[in-house]
Amino acid sequence: GESVGLHLPTLSVQEGDNSIINCAYSNSASDYFIWYKQESGKGPQFIIDIRSNMDKRQGQRVTVLLNKTVKHLSLQIAATQPGDSAVYFCAENIRVAGKSTFGDGTTLTVKP
Amino acid sequence: NAGVTQTPKFRVLKTGQSMTLLCAQDMNHEYMYWYRQDPGMGLRLIHYSVGEGTTAKGEVPDGYNVSRLKKQNFLLGLESAAPSQTSVYFCASSYIRDNTEAFFGQGTRLTVV
Repeated sequence: GESVGLHLPTLSVQEGDNSIINCAYSNSASDYFIWYKQESGKGPQFIIDIRSNMDKRQGQRVTVLLNKTVKHLSLQIAATQPGDSAVYFCAENIRVAGKSTFGDGTTLTVKP
Repeated sequence: NAGVTQTPKFRVLKTGQSMTLLCAQDMNHEYMYWYRQDPGMGLRLIHYSVGEGTTAKGEVPDGYNVSRLKKQNFLLGLESAAPSQTSVYFCASSYIRDNTEAFFGQGTRLTVV
């Protein structure tokens, strides 16, 4: 069977290592998913998105994986840097409704 | 290009006082949103608007009112503030349909004593 990564409220990694942040979503009708990064004292910022007809999308140093069977989303950050330290949120959308539902967030700490 | 601007950035209210938080966006976005963020929690949608003159309730609308008289502005009102409304408030905007990515303001930290 498949293993699904657990959502963790905090994650600590060494600089240069890869990070994997997991998110479980709740609505099987959601058709668009977004990862946001929130630095201390700031509003969330868009990182990467993925539509429900895809299972993988890559950006610059980031990859999002979508498993609709188990309603799971992950964000992989390659060669994690101190500037990646932040809270990461996943959001699920139903595009026709035009609004997002956010997960609880994972605080990523990068140790030098 | 300022993006999404919230005013004020900080405010302390006494229980029972009223105030209005202002959100302005210069990207000609149709959709605007007000969220609150509490420690250890994600963002919860208070109210949102799908266009000028329209508003709709989100997950946690009680105790708040909103207005969207102009497309670029979305106001969040607290008529009678309560300590439970102590939170950080974020406004966001997005295009309709084609791109649901939301752009967020810097937040308003509100304390009700």
